Formats: sequence, structure tokens, C-alpha cells
Amino acid sequence: GAVVSQHPSWVICKSGTSVKIECRSLDFQATTMFWYRQFPKQSLMLMATSNEGSKATYEQGVEKDKFLINHASLTLSTLTVTSAHPEDSSFYICSALVGSDNSPLHFGNGTRLTVT
Amino acid sequence: QKEVEQNSGPLSVPEGAIASLNCTYSDRGSQSFFWYRQYSGKSPELIMFIYSNGDKEDGRFTAQLNKASQYVSLLIRDSQPSDSATYLCAVNPPGGSNYKLTFGKGTLLTVNP
Repeated sequence: GAVVSQHPSWVICKSGTSVKIECRSLDFQATTMFWYRQFPKQSLMLMATSNEGSKATYEQGVEKDKFLINHASLTLSTLTVTSAHPEDSSFYICSALVGSDNSPLHFGNGTRLTVT
Repeated sequence: QKEVEQNSGPLSVPEGAIASLNCTYSDRGSQSFFWYRQYSGKSPELIMFIYSNGDKEDGRFTAQLNKASQYVSLLIRDSQPSDSATYLCAVNPPGGSNYKLTFGKGTLLTVNP
């Protein structure tokens, strides 16, 4: 069964608004979660690492002020896309390691964001 | 530049046949290799992982790794129409944990009934 739950599955918003995506670990505590993004017919790209109780670590080229990450508990990380624009339309997927750093990565069900 | 290369496909096989999916990677020090299946509009689902040279079998799936050739493959035996999906190859960076994966763009597999 799913070990990482993501909500919502899809969202449509108007340009300039903000959207929050939630990622929850089920039945385990995830001190670290990861946010990926996938554009159509492209590979998944890591956006940021979400650390419980501390600041997120962003990958090069990802604007931290635009993609706000909060990891306030051991089972919940949120990604907020602020002032969304059509070019932010993408498939956002959170993930977590179930176990140690050597464990495989498991993904949530993803959120399809469409900005009109 | 770390790269993971896959043939985009589509790869079409008849039901019951063996599907062979291939992946090459550029970073010679990579240690962990993963195959994910992604149905259209869905998030990736882990199929297999392999860390050592050779073959690793799990049911109808066999992962093959050849670090000297920087090559990893996935064989699907007795292919079913439900196997039709995009298969993503992912590789971790040397010395890095398994979350900072480099993904290929995927190979679209179609299994024809």
C-alpha cells in the first residue's frame, strides 16, 4: 500500500494566486521528505529537500521564495507555490525514504498543477 | 554533467513476450540503480533496485547491472497489457543517498494483447 500520501491530486488555479500541496508519510516518521517536479515528457527533477524543524534545502535554479516548503511535523511537509504562473504548471511529486538513506525512494501520488 | 540515458520508445511487444528496457549512465561512481514504473498521469512506482553487478530477479522482473559498461537493464517476462507504462531508470550520485536520484526520461512500453 501507499506509504506517502499527497493532496490534492490535481488543482487548477489562476495566475498570481498561491497553491499549497500537502505530503504525508503514512505509518512512519519522515524527518526528511523530497519534492520533485516533472514537466510533460521530461524526467523527474529534484526541487528541494524538506527537513523537519529546519529550513529546506533547494536545488540550484529553484527559487526558494517562490516554492515555500514547511516541514512542521514528522509526518507532514507542505509545498506552497506562490504567485503561480502558467510556466509553473507541472506534476509535483513528494517522496520519502522509508528507512535509512540507503533505502529506495517512495513517491506520493503526485499533484497535477495547472495555472491558467 | 550527470546523465541517465534511455531510449524513449515506444517499445512494443506482444503479450507473453519478454520486454527488454535499457539504460546507460555517465557517472561511473554511481552505486545504486532503480527502475520505476509510471502510468500516464500517475507518480512513479518502485519496481526494482539493484546495487551489485549481475542479475536480480523478482517475479517476472529481472534487473541486470554491469558497472564496467555503465549499463543497467530491466527484463519483463511474460509481458502483460497491464505492464504498458513508462519505465524510468534512476541512478544515485556517488557518495550520495538514494533521494538525490538522476532520472532518465523513461521508455514507453506498450504490450499488445
